[in-house]
Amino acid sequence: GQQVMQIPQYQHVQEGEDFTTYCNSSTTLSNIQWYKQRPGGHPVFLIQLVKSGEVKKQKRLTFQFGEAKKNSSLHITATQTTDVGTYFCAWGGTNAGKSTFGDGTTLTVKP
Amino acid sequence: NAGVTQTPKFQVLKTGQSMTLQCAQDMNHEYMSWYRQDPGMGLRLIHYSVGAGITDQGEVPNGYNVSRSTTEDFPLRLLSAAPSQTSVYFCASSLREDYGYTFGSGTRLTVV
Repeated sequence: GQQVMQIPQYQHVQEGEDFTTYCNSSTTLSNIQWYKQRPGGHPVFLIQLVKSGEVKKQKRLTFQFGEAKKNSSLHITATQTTDVGTYFCAWGGTNAGKSTFGDGTTLTVKP
Repeated sequence: NAGVTQTPKFQVLKTGQSMTLQCAQDMNHEYMSWYRQDPGMGLRLIHYSVGAGITDQGEVPNGYNVSRSTTEDFPLRLLSAAPSQTSVYFCASSLREDYGYTFGSGTRLTVV
């Protein structure tokens, strides 16, 4: 079956440092979505990537979808304390409506 | 526009009790899903639906039932609660396949 690994599991950074989380799949993905969950909160949709090699930016966040559509990354430039939380990638399967989430990367930012 | 509303927010059950977690959305979304999240872990899909009258199993369906009689509502039933079902339950909805999911604020369930 489809195997998607999200790494790292945890990342501790000093405020102002950059942060990257990766999702790597053993098979081609039709699309990938990214979500952020603040501590004690619920996941919030950030973005969806669909096209091979796609790059999208949201302020300090850069999202990439690999050329082979088997990997994706979320990069945060110059982290701030407001960036703390867990970042999840999610992907659809062969069944419509079935979205699976990665294990997440938990980011902590030291002021 | 309330989005996705989950009730209750907190619940304590005794082993063997049954209950229904409610989920309602007012965005006319076709897709709805239930996830559980255990401490420090990701989201695991319990059941999902692509429209009224259509439901299917996710990764961890055992011990849970769902129905989708209307587009708006997608209740999750725990048949006979077990301590292993202690978790945070999230309901989510999406307009269609290539849209992101909107999550409810969750139900924190403890089974003692």
